[in-house]
Amino acid sequence: EPEVTQTPSHQVTQMGQEVILRCVPISNHLYFYWYRQILGQKVEFLVSFYNNEISEKSEIFDDQFSVERPDGSNFTLKIRSTKLEDSAMYFCASSTTPGAQQQDTEAFFGQGTRLTVV
Amino acid sequence: QKEVEQNSGPLSVPEGAIASLNCTYSDRGSQSFFWYRQYSGKSPELIMFIYSNGDKEDGRFTAQLNKASQYVSLLIRDSQPSDSATYLCAVKLMWRAQKLVFGQGTRLTINP
Repeated sequence: EPEVTQTPSHQVTQMGQEVILRCVPISNHLYFYWYRQILGQKVEFLVSFYNNEISEKSEIFDDQFSVERPDGSNFTLKIRSTKLEDSAMYFCASSTTPGAQQQDTEAFFGQGTRLTVV
Repeated sequence: QKEVEQNSGPLSVPEGAIASLNCTYSDRGSQSFFWYRQYSGKSPELIMFIYSNGDKEDGRFTAQLNKASQYVSLLIRDSQPSDSATYLCAVKLMWRAQKLVFGQGTRLTINP
């Protein structure tokens, strides 16, 4: 069964350092997403990406965040200067294009990268 | 503020009984509703989605949607200990929206 894969599974970084979280979406999917979940809190949307550009982003996704699809398979989230409050589980997800009318397509989530900022 | 609300639980249900999980949402324009299951430390896993008023059944799971009351629920019949997890309700505002808005989740424990 196809799946979204994320690497690394756990990343520890020092405050102020840059981190890149990597994801390989399901191969025939066209929409890609990043969500995060701070421990004990709800899953929060960060950004969606379609056709090589950001299609939607949340207020959390400020200038320290960026996304990129550097090749045909990878989708990355970069955090430029990490803060303690960036510690969270980061989930990548992908879906096919949203359907018309009453069709819908679900987002499939990767297993997540646990980011710990110290 | 557009929000999705769930009772955080924990909800304890004996094995074999029906577990009932509830979710309310604030935006009347919401179109699609999703139930995800999340085991501790793991990623959300889709159980089912619903977009029309009424019931939708898939195996032991039934999703119920009432748009007038802005209410969606998930019933789990013949609950098993393996159903013990946190259940996340998520909402999309429009047919072509990409963002899922999640509730806090309800922690469900099935007691053998």
